[in-house]
Amino acid sequence: DTAVSQTPKYLVTQMGNDKSIKCEQNLGHDTMYWYKQDSKKFLKIMFSYNNKELIINETVPNRFSPKSPDKAHLNLHINSLELGDSAVYFCASSQETAIRGDTQYFGPGTRLTVL
Amino acid sequence: AQSVTQLDSHVSVSEGTPVLLRCNYSSSYSPSLFWYVQHPNKGLQLLLKYTSAATLVKGINGFEAEFKKSETSFHLTKPSAHMSDAAEYFCVVSVGNFNKFYFGSGTKLNVKP
Repeated sequence: DTAVSQTPKYLVTQMGNDKSIKCEQNLGHDTMYWYKQDSKKFLKIMFSYNNKELIINETVPNRFSPKSPDKAHLNLHINSLELGDSAVYFCASSQETAIRGDTQYFGPGTRLTVL
Repeated sequence: AQSVTQLDSHVSVSEGTPVLLRCNYSSSYSPSLFWYVQHPNKGLQLLLKYTSAATLVKGINGFEAEFKKSETSFHLTKPSAHMSDAAEYFCVVSVGNFNKFYFGSGTKLNVKP
């Protein structure tokens, strides 16, 4: 069974469009995260939710809006896509509420290409 | 401020020889440290983690790492490389509240036959 899943795996779209990436975890975890991996493989935290509440919000453009309908899901909606948004986006989850050192389990990633 | 430095962007070894991937961290707090591996076009898989227990940590697939506070290092080693070890490896530090992960820039491991 897939622990952390993301859809779609690949997303190709035009500049200016709005798109969403979905993430689901079946581990019963309390906390979920979104990361962006750029073309040089560097990974950076974007957001984190704990039990549907936003707890980490890095300096991300407000075109990016995470939404957590329940603690098993954390979706990422992106408005007015730009070329610089092209990246691989990873979802992750961890069991406990904001405990330092808690292992994060990552999804397979969504490769977004903006043309 | 927290940061992680992976000293080598690329490491190339022959199959059957030892692997050493270097990681140094800086942290204002007592850190938790992780190594993750990413195979091509795949997600990240946990290899091992240190959270203030034993300083020598054993992970999956024969990997281990030693936390050295005096050197602020957490180097990853394996006695004998296998072809399947070829991948990108990330050192990660987690500090402070909310389990925020700070990633190193990654080391690409190439294993030659």
